[in-house]
Amino acid sequence: DAKTTQPPSMDCAEGRAANLPCNHSTISGNEYVYWYRQIHSQGPQYIIHGLKNNETNEMASLIITEDRKSSTLILPHATLRDTAVYYCIVRAYNTDKLIFGTGTRLQVFP
Amino acid sequence: DSGVTQTPKHLITATGQRVTLRCSPRSGDLSVYWYQQSLDQGLQFLIQYYNGEERAKGNILERFSAQQFPDLHSELNLSSLELGDSALYFCASSVVGDTQYFGPGTRLTVL
Repeated sequence: DAKTTQPPSMDCAEGRAANLPCNHSTISGNEYVYWYRQIHSQGPQYIIHGLKNNETNEMASLIITEDRKSSTLILPHATLRDTAVYYCIVRAYNTDKLIFGTGTRLQVFP
Repeated sequence: DSGVTQTPKHLITATGQRVTLRCSPRSGDLSVYWYQQSLDQGLQFLIQYYNGEERAKGNILERFSAQQFPDLHSELNLSSLELGDSALYFCASSVVGDTQYFGPGTRLTVL
């Protein structure tokens, strides 16, 4: 599985969009980009995933660059409850295990 | 609520002891995964079961073992516990190859 690089921490004002970047320059054609978050010590929560097209769901949007070497998770209107560690994971569809890195600690402030 | 349940929520035990952690997957999910999260190692994949059979192994110690029962619930057995085994243990489930959904975890403290 390809490795990912994320900034260790980011801040965002409540109500503003939070844009979390992820680099995955060694991603291969059959690998998906997954995003999870972990609020305090709760179980990781699935957010969104994509292969090459941009994706949107009720939680977030995922923008993947055309060369697929990087992506951005967008939380359109961050709230205090979005404060968490966000993990970007690259996973081949036929590989089940998830390899978690150190993630980005997002702090949303009032 | 992911639909994955884990018991117990907290477990405190002594070195050398043995414990069993239990996981019930989401309805319809045949795959169960176990992950360990310790302060110094982050979230690490331990083992996966699919429909009762071991499918993939990660950095699981020989003192640890798991199984998946016919009703698809899974148990993670940790024996000869050491202080360093103190961690959060998460179970996840999925339809094979699809998105994994995580349970709330079991916090194990070894004294």
